[in-house]
Formats: sequence, C-alpha cells, structure tokens
Amino acid sequence: GAGVSQTPSNKVTEKGKYVELRCDPISGHTALYWYRQSLGQGPEFLIYFQGTGAADDSGLPNDRFFAVRPEGSVSTLKIQRTERGDSAVYLCASSSLAGAQETQYFGPGTRLLVL
Amino acid sequence: TQLLEQSPQFLSIQEGENLTVYCNSSSVFSSLQWYRQEPGEGPVLLVTVVTGGEVKKLKRLTFQFGDARKDSSLHITAAQTGDTGLYLCAGAEGTYKYIFGTGTRLKVLA
Repeated sequence: GAGVSQTPSNKVTEKGKYVELRCDPISGHTALYWYRQSLGQGPEFLIYFQGTGAADDSGLPNDRFFAVRPEGSVSTLKIQRTERGDSAVYLCASSSLAGAQETQYFGPGTRLLVL
Repeated sequence: TQLLEQSPQFLSIQEGENLTVYCNSSSVFSSLQWYRQEPGEGPVLLVTVVTGGEVKKLKRLTFQFGDARKDSSLHITAAQTGDTGLYLCAGAEGTYKYIFGTGTRLKVLA
C-alpha cells in the first residue's frame, strides 16, 4: 500500500514569504506527527494530531508556525514570514494508533530552503 | 525535555567489522526505539524496546535497553555496505511523543 507522502519534496523561498507543506498519511492512520530535522541532527518534534485535533503543539518554535488537519487525514504545516533559520527538512509521520510503542511511518520529507 | 546523546557521532569502518553505537540520557524512558535513515528518506523503525535489560536481535543487529531504561546500545556484527546510514535512537516522553537522539552516521566501506 501507499506510504506517507509529502509535497513538495523541495521548496525554495525568500525570507519573509509564506509556505505550506503538505502531508498525506497512510490511509486510516489517526495519529500524525510533524518533525523538523536540521542538517546533521535528529528529528525535532513539532506537533502531534490525534484525529482532527492538535493534541500537542508544544514543539512549534513560535507563532509563525501552525498546522491543521481539518478532516483527520491530510495535514498542512504553515510557516508565515519565513526566516533563514527555518531552513530544514520537515518530516511527517503517521501511525495507526496513538501510543509510544506504535510504529511511526515517516514520509520522505520536504526540504525547505529560505534564502 | 529529555535529551538523548548518541556516540560516536560519526563512524567509518570496513565491511566485516563489528561496531557498537550508544544512546545515553540522564532521564528514564518508558520505551526506546531505533531507526535507520538513508539520504533523502525518512527514518525507518528498526526496533522498539520496552523492558529494562531487554535484548532484541534483528539479523546481525542486536539492541539492548539499559537496566535503568536510561540508555541503549546497538551492536552490528559483520557490517555490510548496506548498513550505511544515519542511526537514530528515540526515547518515549509520555504516552505518544518521542524525543530523538543526535544520531550516529555510519559508513561501511567495501
């Protein structure tokens, strides 16, 4: 079956612009995560959705970042007034159930470069 | 937020050699996962360990969770070029959230 897909695969933007990153989770997966991975680092938790609601957004770095999942499936991570420090790979993962022992399936990521 | 340190940060070895990667924290985790990530892809789960002292084997890979559930190790026997990649540990914080380690980049030379 299809895995987690993310679009676009690469995004180049200018400082100050607005960007949207999309995640299509595995069909039927209720839990969805967004992570940010800087070069040479492990993924950093941003936000967790259980169904349509953001159960934990404690990892969002500031109010320029927000994410939605209106129908409990596709999710969009939105970044306003982008800064050069936002450049990173943004990873999405989904799992069939919420729970620390559940398998998270990751997408290939969106590589964001802010010039 | 709990922190996970991995060592070594980089490792370059010849095919056929053995290696061990370490994942350490001062905090206790309810479970810990190991992932491998290849360039341009997302991490792929290798194993989840739950019980202190637990050992799991996946072919040539052996994973151990420390008795106090603060640390873990990954041992690879007779490394192959296909083992090349970024190895990440991730500790469970709470019921659904994982904190990832700093990563170990392994290169196995033919």
